[in-house]
Amino acid sequence: LAKTTQPISMDSYEGQEVNITCSHNNIATNDYITWYQQFPSQGPRFIIQGYKTKVTNEVASLFIPADRKSSTLSLPRVSLSDTAVYYCLVGDNGNAGNMLTFGGGTRLMVKP
Amino acid sequence: DTGVSQDPRHKITKRGQNVTFRCDPISEHNRLYWYRQTLGQGPEFLTYFQNEAQLEKSRLLSDRFSAERPKGSFSTLEIQRTEQGDSAMYLCASSFEINTDTQYFGPGTRLTVL
Repeated sequence: LAKTTQPISMDSYEGQEVNITCSHNNIATNDYITWYQQFPSQGPRFIIQGYKTKVTNEVASLFIPADRKSSTLSLPRVSLSDTAVYYCLVGDNGNAGNMLTFGGGTRLMVKP
Repeated sequence: DTGVSQDPRHKITKRGQNVTFRCDPISEHNRLYWYRQTLGQGPEFLTYFQNEAQLEKSRLLSDRFSAERPKGSFSTLEIQRTEQGDSAMYLCASSFEINTDTQYFGPGTRLTVL
């Protein structure tokens, strides 16, 4: 399974755009990139998933360069409620079972 | 559909007791996963079902742990002779294998072993 590296923590202020970059140098051809958000004492919440280029939904955007060795989660205009841990994962979703491997995640602190 | 549900949300038990947790996946999701998460760490994979078949087990799943999904719908995770090291959040996730197989997580069961 491809290993991911992301910053341990980040600070931001309300209303700012936050970009969290994840490195996955050993990503395989069939691997997708998935981001989850987790609040204390809750299960991880799916945010966004992509394979290449750019994906956007109502919550975030995911930017993936052509070599796919990294990806950037972009959260527009964060609020205090976006304070959480964000996990970047890569995996082959097409295989029989996709046992997600979580790293330590990035702890985002949004300040007023 | 209300998402993945888990019961109970919290469980406090004494060392040596048995505990059982239940997970109800999103309806029509044929894949179900169990993870364990300790404080400050990311979730760790425990086991995986496709329909009623248990297809993968982590080395973290010792002999004291057993999981079932008898009818391919809900699943139970039992821990026998609990130890203090079993204290953790136990998370269940489900997915539908077609397309991107995105996993959706439940709220978790927080186990505290005294």
